[in-house]
Parts: sequence; structure tokens; C-alpha cells
Amino acid sequence: QVQLQESGPGLVKPSETLSLTCTVSGYSISSGYSWGWIRQPPGKGLEWIGSVYHSGTTYYKSSLKSRVTISLDTSKNQFSLRLSSVTAADTAVYYCVRDHEVNGMDVWGNGTTVTVSS
Amino acid sequence: DIQMTQSPSFLSASVGDRVTITCRASQSISTYLNWYQQKRGKAPKLLIYAASSLQSGAPSRFSGSGSGTEFTLTISSLQPEDFATYYCQQSFNTPAITFGQGTRLEIK
Repeated sequence: QVQLQESGPGLVKPSETLSLTCTVSGYSISSGYSWGWIRQPPGKGLEWIGSVYHSGTTYYKSSLKSRVTISLDTSKNQFSLRLSSVTAADTAVYYCVRDHEVNGMDVWGNGTTVTVSS
Repeated sequence: DIQMTQSPSFLSASVGDRVTITCRASQSISTYLNWYQQKRGKAPKLLIYAASSLQSGAPSRFSGSGSGTEFTLTISSLQPEDFATYYCQQSFNTPAITFGQGTRLEIK
């Protein structure tokens, strides 16, 4: 059974960099699929942040592109999110997902809450 | 970006009711449409992919239909565990996917 688990600081100061890691178990991320990050601000809907393919190719939401980096660490079977210059608007629950691409995101982590505050 | 619009945004229904949620895309997306269920405080779960295919493990009372710009999610007979928020998501532009704003389904 494939499982994803997010980890990282729950509190980040404004203007600093948010860093999260997703640890994958039950599947080797280098074998296939796309691996992505989705966020959900409090009381709001879902927003795609970006994705990394098993090849290492990355895609980011255009409005976040200048601040986002997603990378793979195949040795640890993990992928990571870095979001720089954060503001209160980046406060959200952050989910990592396995993306079946046209067939949807079939495995989700439990989510981790990140609050941007001084 | 492809905009996804769900209606209604809020729906009140009773156990046993048949419920339909609509999702419209700002341009044709063929059948590249997925549906998710999110319960309060939990991660979303994939229910339907490719507009009408039932995800493994999803109850058969859930069904999806549509193509082009208009899609529906139908729950044939509401169960207590179905009260949740539902999201549609286009995968036509994958990986640059977008979600609808959500439909909150509550008990009448």
C-alpha cells in the first residue's frame, strides 16, 4: 500500500522560506508517476502548487513559479517543496500527492498545517 | 488557466436522497475530469476519474458523467458518511491542474 507523509515546520516567519518533505512508502518514486503538492488555505478550496515527474522534470503554478522549487531525493524516496518569501497568504494545509496525471491524484498525505506568522 | 465552476456551492439533502452536483469548465476538456470527496479535517479522496470511472474502493452509489464542458457527479442514495465537500478537477492541462471551488453537502 502506497503511503505519503508530509513533514516540516508548522510555523514560518514572513519573508522566510517554507520547506516541506514528503516521504513515500510502498512505491519507489523513481519508478514512475508524477509527485505533487496541493495546498488549502483555512476554509478555502484546493490549489495545485507544482509537480515533479519521476524523471525530475518539474512544473509549477504560474503565479507561484518565481517562489517555488520542488525536487526529488530518490535515495530517501522523498520529494520536497520550498516556497520562498512567504506571507500570511501562504498559510494553509499542505498536501503531498501521487499524481496519476489524467486519472487524478490517487494517493494523498494526511496534510500538514503551515502558519506564516511572526 | 482553465476555470472550473461547481454548482451549487452548498447543498442540503437527506439520507436516501439522490443528489447531483454539476461542474463546468471554461473550455472543452474532453473527459479529463476527476471528482474528490473531502471530509472535515481530512485529505481529499479520489472518487471518480476520467469523468465516469469509479476509483477502486469508492462506493458504487457514486457515478460521474459528462464530456466537453459540463460534468455531473451523482450520489444515487445518500448515506450518512457522504456528507462532505466535493471538488471537481480538470486534468486536461496536466500537470497544471485546477479545481472547482467545492460543493458542501450537508444534512437537511
